[in-house]
Amino acid sequence: GAVVSQHPSRVICKSGTSVKIECRSLDFQATTMFWYRQFPKQSLMLMATSNEGSKATYEQGVEKDKFLINHASLTLSTLTVTSAHPEDSSFYICSASQQETQYFGPGTRLLVL
Amino acid sequence: KQEVTQIPAALSVPEGENLVLNCSFTDSAIYNLQWFRQDPGKGLTSLLLIQSSQREQTSGRLNASLDKSSGRSTLYIAASQPGDSATYLCAVIEEYGNKLVFGAGTILRVKS
Repeated sequence: GAVVSQHPSRVICKSGTSVKIECRSLDFQATTMFWYRQFPKQSLMLMATSNEGSKATYEQGVEKDKFLINHASLTLSTLTVTSAHPEDSSFYICSASQQETQYFGPGTRLLVL
Repeated sequence: KQEVTQIPAALSVPEGENLVLNCSFTDSAIYNLQWFRQDPGKGLTSLLLIQSSQREQTSGRLNASLDKSSGRSTLYIAASQPGDSATYLCAVIEEYGNKLVFGAGTILRVKS
């Protein structure tokens, strides 16, 4: 149980395009999901907390207009990287919370050319 | 602001050796502490979770301890195997929050 999926697993896009990443809790409902970013050989940095039916809470320094988060249902949260640039290339990981435990997705590798 | 530090940053050991990974956190007001494993290019696998009221947790060859007052945790891996090679991350949730704060990780390589 408690499986979280992410789609796509890898994406390559041109600079200036937008990319949407989906995070799904497959066998449980998650009122709260989290989005993290990880640069090579660095730890996970929390970007935002996504609550179903309400606006996401962004961490300091994270541009909410650049990283759009939608949590439309109890099993799905999406992160859209708008007007992506090469510096947005990173590994994006989501997690879904169930009973105070976070379950992590497999991550999405984004490469912006 | 909570900060989590992991030492060493990287560790290479021969197969069969017992080893200890260290984690420290600056604010002792934590709710729990977790150790995760991350394989290259993959997501996180939770290994052990220690509640703030607990001193240690064990799972197979893994044992994690927590000294909340001193802001320290250790992950002990017994009889290491090449399959244990991965990055090990320590993370805490603060007492009145729901956010995980991660350390930078320890890259472990177990040589056969």
